[in-house]
Amino acid sequence: DAKTTQPNSMESNEEEPVHLPCNHSTISGTDYIHWYRQLPSQGPEYVIHGLTSNVNNRMASLAIAEDRKSSTLILHRATLRDAAVYYCILRPLQGGSEKLVFGKGTKLTVNP
Amino acid sequence: ETGVTQSPTHLIKTRGQQVTLRCSSQSGHNTVSWYQQALGQGPQFIFQYYREEENGRGNFPPRFSGLQFPNYSSELNVNALELDDSALYLCASSLGGGGPSNEQFFGPGTRLTVL
Repeated sequence: DAKTTQPNSMESNEEEPVHLPCNHSTISGTDYIHWYRQLPSQGPEYVIHGLTSNVNNRMASLAIAEDRKSSTLILHRATLRDAAVYYCILRPLQGGSEKLVFGKGTKLTVNP
Repeated sequence: ETGVTQSPTHLIKTRGQQVTLRCSSQSGHNTVSWYQQALGQGPQFIFQYYREEENGRGNFPPRFSGLQFPNYSSELNVNALELDDSALYLCASSLGGGGPSNEQFFGPGTRLTVL
């Protein structure tokens, strides 16, 4: 399973942008980059995913480096509700089950 | 549209006992995955069921077993409980066959404590 590296923790202030980095230097050409987050006392929830191009949705933006060895999840205006553990996950194009391989993620603290 | 539900919410068992956890998948989803999340760690994949067949298994011993029913709900069974089995057990459903862009929808989990 391809490996990702994320900082253990990050801190932000409410209403400011947050950039959460993820390194995945061993990514293969067909691995998708997914982000999930887990709010306190809840199951993980999907945030966004991409393959090569930058992606935007109502929750966040995903910026993917040109060589695909790193990506950044961008929360444009952090709210207190965005305080969670954020997981960067690589999903291969092939490989049988559609499992998610979670690391320890980045714990985001949002200050009021 | 009903989301993923799990029961029970909390459970306390003693070492050596057996436990069954239940999961109802989101409407229209045919794939259920189970994960174990120890305190302070990310979820670890246990196994996945697609249309009632096991479709992949993580690094868990055979005393972890499962079932998926014709309505795509699922059970996770753990025999001979050990103290290290204390964890949050998460169920996720998805529409299988969608490949690596497929999104998984998680339930709130069952907190199992083994004494």
